[in-house]
Amino acid sequence: KAGVTQTPRYLIKTRGQQVTLSCSPISGHRSVSWYQQTPGQGLQFLFEYFSETQRNKGNFPGRFSGRQFSNSRSEMNVSTLELGDSALYLCASSSGLRNTDTQYFGPGTRLTVL
Amino acid sequence: GQQVMQIPQYQHVQEGEDFTTYCNSSTTLSNIQWYKQRPGGHPVFLIQLVKSGEVKKQKRLTFQFGEAKKNSSLHITATQTTDVGTYFCAGPATNDYKLSFGAGTTVTVRA
Repeated sequence: KAGVTQTPRYLIKTRGQQVTLSCSPISGHRSVSWYQQTPGQGLQFLFEYFSETQRNKGNFPGRFSGRQFSNSRSEMNVSTLELGDSALYLCASSSGLRNTDTQYFGPGTRLTVL
Repeated sequence: GQQVMQIPQYQHVQEGEDFTTYCNSSTTLSNIQWYKQRPGGHPVFLIQLVKSGEVKKQKRLTFQFGEAKKNSSLHITATQTTDVGTYFCAGPATNDYKLSFGAGTTVTVRA
């Protein structure tokens, strides 16, 4: 089974721009969660999508949004980028059917905002 | 909202020594999961504990889930350089699907 893939792997943007990140989950998985990781901050939960619906949301401003398509692929969008948005963005997939599901992480997208 | 805390944030260990990292949740957890992230990598699932007081072992790693299902620990014996990385605990509150992660314990090993 192919693992979770994320594109692009690296991005450099300037303040004020917007960016779209993509995540393809493991085949058969219906849940995709997004996390922001910065040094010393651990994994900050952004949101989770299950069967094209946002099921959970973290405490991030409205500039961060996402969606999920019928094939379970997910995209995350950040508008009006700020310097503080520089981070590793990880997505993780799971079946989404039980809260005992483990999450399988992708390699992440490293976003640098200049 | 639910908060998961891990201590210590950093653990510097002499190769061959033992250490323990602790995880505490502000709410009762349905289960606790541990992940390891190697430098430059992404988190990888290690183990899951579901039952109150459960203890599981993976070679030199021993994981424990507290009786009240609000805390957990990871004990590593005879630390090796392959143990380098950040260890995260995570758990959903009861009837929740969202995994709340601790900030992680970053382990470095002195040879």
